[in-house]
Amino acid sequence: AQSVTQLGSHVSVSEGALVLLRCNYSSSVPPYLFWYVQYPNQGLQLLLKYTSAATLVKGINGFEAEFKKSETSFHLTKPSAHMSDAAEYFCAVSLSTGNQFYFGTGTSLTVIP
Amino acid sequence: EPEVTQTPSHQVTQMGQEVILRCVPISNHLYFYWYRQILGQKVEFLVSFYNNEISEKSEIFDDQFSVERPDGSNFTLKIRSTKLEDSAMYFCASSDWSDPNEQFFGPGTRLTVL
Repeated sequence: AQSVTQLGSHVSVSEGALVLLRCNYSSSVPPYLFWYVQYPNQGLQLLLKYTSAATLVKGINGFEAEFKKSETSFHLTKPSAHMSDAAEYFCAVSLSTGNQFYFGTGTSLTVIP
Repeated sequence: EPEVTQTPSHQVTQMGQEVILRCVPISNHLYFYWYRQILGQKVEFLVSFYNNEISEKSEIFDDQFSVERPDGSNFTLKIRSTKLEDSAMYFCASSDWSDPNEQFFGPGTRLTVL
């Protein structure tokens, strides 16, 4: 069975500090992995995705994530947090094209000025 | 930039009533999805739709639920007889044939069942 675990439902960082949001997955076959961001009262916006190409994936707004098969992880990072990064972040996994997504429970990021 | 739209943004209904949630996917997309997010919980897959039929559904998507693409632009989710536990945010998503992995999500419809 597929599942996604996001450690830390709430993360607070100071403006300019490193952002690290954790995501671990379990999958019986090689997965596709995604990070989505949700701003208040808005839909889910794709930040980045891993689909079996380069293991270090760069996304929008300076975010990146590294697929580590040995650790079954896909942690999201950003070197320097900005106030506009405050949002809910969701990690998701799918198994093949056009298939359903399995989402984590989300991590709420707060950026402290 | 093209986007997925959903109406209404908020729907309040009485238990037992039928509701129809509407979505307009991005115009050239071929795969359509519904997800829901109960307050404080994770986003859950309901159903995927391709070539005018359901391609996959979860155990949540029981006989009370149905989906339809009544015309070339709309994609609807119907709940026949709403229950209190149907209260959630419902997200529609669509993806293109060229990159089905990238699902574009709408802003959601918040359904409140009283």
